Amino acid sequence: QLQLQESAPGLVKPSEALSLTCTVSGGSISSSPYYWGWFRQPPGKGLEWVATISYRGSTYYNPSLHSRITISIDPSNNHFSLRLNSVTAADTAVYYCARNLRYHYDFWGQGALVTVSS
Amino acid sequence: QSALTQPASVSGSAGQSTTISCSGSSSDVGGYDFVSWYQQHPGKAPKLVIYDVSNRPSGVSSRFSGSKSGNTASLTISGLQAEDEADYYCISYSSTNSLWVFGGGTKLTVL
Repeated sequence: QLQLQESAPGLVKPSEALSLTCTVSGGSISSSPYYWGWFRQPPGKGLEWVATISYRGSTYYNPSLHSRITISIDPSNNHFSLRLNSVTAADTAVYYCARNLRYHYDFWGQGALVTVSS
Repeated sequence: QSALTQPASVSGSAGQSTTISCSGSSSDVGGYDFVSWYQQHPGKAPKLVIYDVSNRPSGVSSRFSGSKSGNTASLTISGLQAEDEADYYCISYSSTNSLWVFGGGTKLTVL
């Protein structure tokens, strides 16, 4: 059974960069036709798509975050990552990673809470 | 403000049916059959319950069904059970510069 597990720092200071990693087990991150995505959910609010990367490394970003984010994939370690620069309190959220299969997300990680605070 | 419009809340009695709508545009819901629905219980990750408008993943109850008419997709849950009480989100592929667009979520209360 495929499993995804987010790793995140928990607490990040304003203006710093946030790095998250999603480790995939039970399947290869390089397998076609899967894509891999990041989502986030501020406390008490709805879900927001952040970024998606294909098994070949093609990237897709939420336009509202595009200038601050980078998504990457590491087949050798079977994980993919997200970097969000210049964070503010508005970036406080539970961050989820998920697998995309032909236009839907079928497996999700349990989520990792990231708080931006000094 | 979400790109797709969902009612903030719906309710239904146990055993009855309820429908949650998801309204978009011809650039997303109306233009593609790539609407998916996710169930989220408090403190838990989203769970896929419907994909490609009306398909159910293996393991999801047949009480969940989906449909689409024009720019509006719908999720119907029949035979409501207490365990169905959760937040439900619709997502659609979009031809705009945002690849995926979300609904704001609907809180389902089972009375």
